[in-house]
Amino acid sequence: EVQLVESGGDLVQPGGSLRLSCAASGFTLTNYWMSWFRQAPGKGLEWVANIKQDGNEKYYVDSVKGRFTISRDNAENSLYLQMNSLRVEDTAVYYCTRDGRTGAADYWGQGTLVTVSS
Amino acid sequence: DIQMTQSPSTLSASVGDRVTVTCRASQSINNWLAWYQQKPGKAPNLLIYKASTLESGVPSRFSGSGSGTEFTLTISCLQPDDFATYYCQQYNSYSLYSFGQGTKLEIK
Repeated sequence: EVQLVESGGDLVQPGGSLRLSCAASGFTLTNYWMSWFRQAPGKGLEWVANIKQDGNEKYYVDSVKGRFTISRDNAENSLYLQMNSLRVEDTAVYYCTRDGRTGAADYWGQGTLVTVSS
Repeated sequence: DIQMTQSPSTLSASVGDRVTVTCRASQSINNWLAWYQQKPGKAPNLLIYKASTLESGVPSRFSGSGSGTEFTLTISCLQPDDFATYYCQQYNSYSLYSFGQGTKLEIK
């Protein structure tokens, strides 16, 4: 059974940092692109970043470029999102997803809440 | 950037109704479009990918159609479990995904 379990969400002050983790199981991580999405309270879905199977291609939404870094450790079956210089508007539930063979996110984690507030 | 415009934002319907949600892309995305269902407090669930392919395990009352810039999600006979929020997403390029604003399907 495919499972994605996020962790690391917390309350942090503006300008602070946080590292999210996603533990993957039930499939071979090296075969898939992986993504992070987020959803601010009461708002719609937003793609944040994704990373190729070997980690050599990474893409970001403009609003997080230069502040967030996506990475993966295939040996540890894990995906990460390092978030620096956090802003109030980064407050959201962050989801880790597996990008299926056609590109759509076919499995989602349960989400982890990041709250940026003073 | 590709903008996705989804309509309506809210849809009121009854059990047994047939409903349609529309998604329009600001430029051609070929068929790289997905539809997700989301219930309150839960992660989204993939319903359809590549515009019209039903994800495994999704009931056949859900269907998708369209190509280029115009796409639709149809639910043929609404069931109580279908009342949720629906999102379209384009994934034409790995370098930038984007979503529609969402359609909240409510019980009339």
